[in-house]
Amino acid sequence: QVQLVQSGAEVKKPGASVKVSCKASGYSLTAYVIHWVRQAPGQSLEWMGRLNADSGDTRYSQKFQGRVIIARDTSATTAYMELSSLRSEDTAIYYCAGTPIAVPGNQLDSWGQGTMVSVSS
Amino acid sequence: DIVMTQSPLSLPVTPGEPASISCRSSQSLLHSNGHYYLDWYLQKAGQSPQLLIYLGSNRASGVPDRFSGSGSGTDFTLRISRVEADDVGIYYCMQGIQAPFTFGQGTRLDIK
Repeated sequence: QVQLVQSGAEVKKPGASVKVSCKASGYSLTAYVIHWVRQAPGQSLEWMGRLNADSGDTRYSQKFQGRVIIARDTSATTAYMELSSLRSEDTAIYYCAGTPIAVPGNQLDSWGQGTMVSVSS
Repeated sequence: DIVMTQSPLSLPVTPGEPASISCRSSQSLLHSNGHYYLDWYLQKAGQSPQLLIYLGSNRASGVPDRFSGSGSGTDFTLRISRVEADDVGIYYCMQGIQAPFTFGQGTRLDIK
C-alpha cells in the first residue's frame, strides 16, 4: 500500500485559494489514481475528483467544476488539489486517497492523514 | 448523482453480538466487468477513513474475517459477526461505479 502524507492545516479568507499537497511513499504515485474527498464538520464524506497519476487524466465532480484543480508535480511524487473562490462552506478536512490503477474497482485503498482547511473572515 | 442510503444511522451493540448495516443505492452498482462497485469504510474517532470491504464482498488487507459484505444490484449489507470494542466508529458505504462517487450518510456504531 502506498503511504500518503498531506500538507498542514490552512486558514484562508473568503475568496482566496488553497493548495493541499499529497506526497506518496512506498510505491510510485504513478501506480495510483488519487482521489480528493472532503468532510465538513460533523458531516459525511464528499468526493471532489480524481487524478490518474500515470496518464494525468482528471475527472471532477460537477459541484466543484471550475473551482478545483487536481494535478501532480513533474516528478510524479506529489499530487495537489487547489480549490479557489473559497467560502465558509468549504471549511472541512480534505483527504487524498489512492486506488491502485491495475485492479478493478475504485476503492479508496490508502488515505492521507487529512488537512484541515478553515475559511473565515 | 447516485444516492446512497444507509440504515440504521445509529447502532448500539453489545460486545460479542452481531451487527448489520444496510446500504441502498438509487441505481444498480453492477459494472460490465461483473463486479459490484460498492465499498465499505470505517472512520474511527479523529482518524482518516479506512477501507474494510471493496467490490461488495472482498475484505481489504488486514481486515478481520468478522467483517463480511454481501449484496447485489442496489441492496448491500455489511455484517460484523461478533462486535468488539475496537469496532466503534462511523461506517460509510460508497459507490464507485459512476462519478461523482457518493457516500452514504454514515452509521454510528457504539458499544452498549
